[in-house]
Amino acid sequence: DAGVTQSPTHLIKTRGQQVTLRCSPKSGHDTVSWYQQALGQGPQFIFQYYEEEERQRGNFPDRFSGHQFPNYSSELNVNALLLGDSALYLCASGQGSGETQYFGPGTRLLVL
Amino acid sequence: SQQGEEDPQALSIQEGENATMNCSYKTSINNLQWYRQNSGRGLVHLILIRSNEREKHSGRLRVTLDTSKKSSSLLITASRAADTASYFCATDARAGGTSYGKLTFGQGTILTVHP
Repeated sequence: DAGVTQSPTHLIKTRGQQVTLRCSPKSGHDTVSWYQQALGQGPQFIFQYYEEEERQRGNFPDRFSGHQFPNYSSELNVNALLLGDSALYLCASGQGSGETQYFGPGTRLLVL
Repeated sequence: SQQGEEDPQALSIQEGENATMNCSYKTSINNLQWYRQNSGRGLVHLILIRSNEREKHSGRLRVTLDTSKKSSSLLITASRAADTASYFCATDARAGGTSYGKLTFGQGTILTVHP
């Protein structure tokens, strides 16, 4: 049974560019959440998708957007990248209310 | 913003010793969860304790929750070198009486277990 998978594992971009990160949830899960983890910090909630709609959103600007597909996989898009967007981006999946979430290995984004 | 604060920020012990990490939070919660993270990679779910529970065990892990003090502790008994990692507490706070799995993490405790 495959766990949560994310791609790519590493990514280097320059300021002003746009990036798309991908996540496939654990089998049987229908909820996907995205988190940003800066170096030395705990993860911060970006948003959560359920039934292809954004259900909750954290304190992140509109440059951060997402999408959930009918197969429950999800994308995180970040526009107009800033140096401060450099972080580990984590995807987590769960069932329904998502009380227990399972995290993927993350995508490490470096913005130069 | 970070809801929780972990204490200590770093902990260094010898194999076989017990490790205790503490977490404090600010708002009412539905549950509190502990996660482990190795070398800045993905988070591994360790244990979940609901707001109406006071103590929970899983193998060498023991978690307590005191909702009156808004605090929790994670005890790892008989530690091993493989327990070396960062440990985070995360709270799932009430939002209109329902929980949608929006987790708020603390800054974590870095645990080093020396062989």
